[in-house]
Parts: sequence; structure tokens; C-alpha cells
Amino acid sequence: LAKTTQPISMDSYEGQEVNITCSHNNIATNDYITWYQQFPSQGPRFIIQGYKTKVTNEVASLFIPADRKSSTLSLPRVSLSDTAVYYCLVGALYSSASKIIFGSGTRLSIRP
Amino acid sequence: GAVVSQHPSRVICKSGTSVKIECRSLDFQATTMFWYRQFPKKSLMLMATSNEGSKATYEQGVEKDKFLINHASLTLSTLTVTSAHPEDSSFYICSARGTSAQETQYFGPGTRLLVL
Repeated sequence: LAKTTQPISMDSYEGQEVNITCSHNNIATNDYITWYQQFPSQGPRFIIQGYKTKVTNEVASLFIPADRKSSTLSLPRVSLSDTAVYYCLVGALYSSASKIIFGSGTRLSIRP
Repeated sequence: GAVVSQHPSRVICKSGTSVKIECRSLDFQATTMFWYRQFPKKSLMLMATSNEGSKATYEQGVEKDKFLINHASLTLSTLTVTSAHPEDSSFYICSARGTSAQETQYFGPGTRLLVL
């Protein structure tokens, strides 16, 4: 299982772009990268998932370099409601034996 | 997107009683379901992995006789905390992964257990 490393916490202001980088040096060939958001007393919410290059959806972008040893979650124009813990996870899809292990996550605080 | 529900959302029980938590995938069939527990300000800790129709696989340090998991159908898994004690008080979260197209893991809203 690939281990992930993220900054423990980050601060930013409303309207700014926030980039959270995750390191996963031991990522395997069939591993995907998934990011989740968690608010207090709620289950994690899926944000975005990717395998390589760039993925964009309505809430975020995910940048993955060619070596796939890291990934960056980009949140455009954050608001106060984006204050949460963000988890970067690496795991193999299409495998019934695959399980996702959570790291410490990044606690993002957005200020007015 | 895929929806996973949990019931109850919170439960308070007396020490020594057993508590059952249900996890359902509402709009997809889940071959595999996972159970996590989370303490305040901490990350999620995987407790066990269950595949429909087979015995659950428990992580090291998790007592299988204490935390009984049943995955009887492709849409339902249950976690029973037997003879609960105050140290079992925690936030329990389940997740489900689909059989084919929906391989992403989706999480339930969590169940807050308080054992008095």
C-alpha cells in the first residue's frame, strides 16, 4: 500500500486559490489517486480522482506529474465553507482486495 | 453520485449492551464495504473489509469477536459492537465500493456511538 504524505495544516483567505500537495513515492502502476474532503462529524466526501496528467471537475483540479510520485489538489477561489480536512489516498481500483488507508490529512482553514 | 447511508446517525447505550450499525448503498451494488472508526481530531482508522457473502477481513489489533461484521447482500453491511464499553465510544464510518463502473469508494455519513 502506497503511503501518502501531506502538510498537516494550511491557511488561506476567501477568494484565493489553494493548492495542497501530496507525496506518494511508492505508488504502484495500477494505483489511482483520490482526494476526499471531510467536515467535522461527517463522512468523507469524494472530491476528485485521477491516474495521470490533469483532471478537472466542477469543484477542483488534480495535477499529477509524469512520475506520479506526487499530486496536487487545486481548489479555485475558496470560501469559508471549504474549511475542512482534505485527504489524499492512493489505491488500486478494479481490485476486490484493494483497501484505502487514510493518512493524517491536511486541515485547511479559510479566513475571511 | 453514489449514495451510502448509515443508521442510526447517533446512538447512546449502556455499558455491556450491543449496538448494531447499518450501512447501505442506496443506488449501486457494493461488492466490498469497509468499516472505519475515527476519534476526535484524528484520521480514519480502517477496522475491517467485508466482501458480500464472505467473512470480513479485520485489520491488526481489531477484535473480530468484539466488532461483528455481516455483509449479507450487495447493498447492506452491518457492524455490531458487542458488549460495548466506554472506550468503544467513537465515530464509526462505513464506505462502499461498486462492482464495476463505480469503483470509487463512497462513504456514509457516520454513526456517533456513546457508551455510558
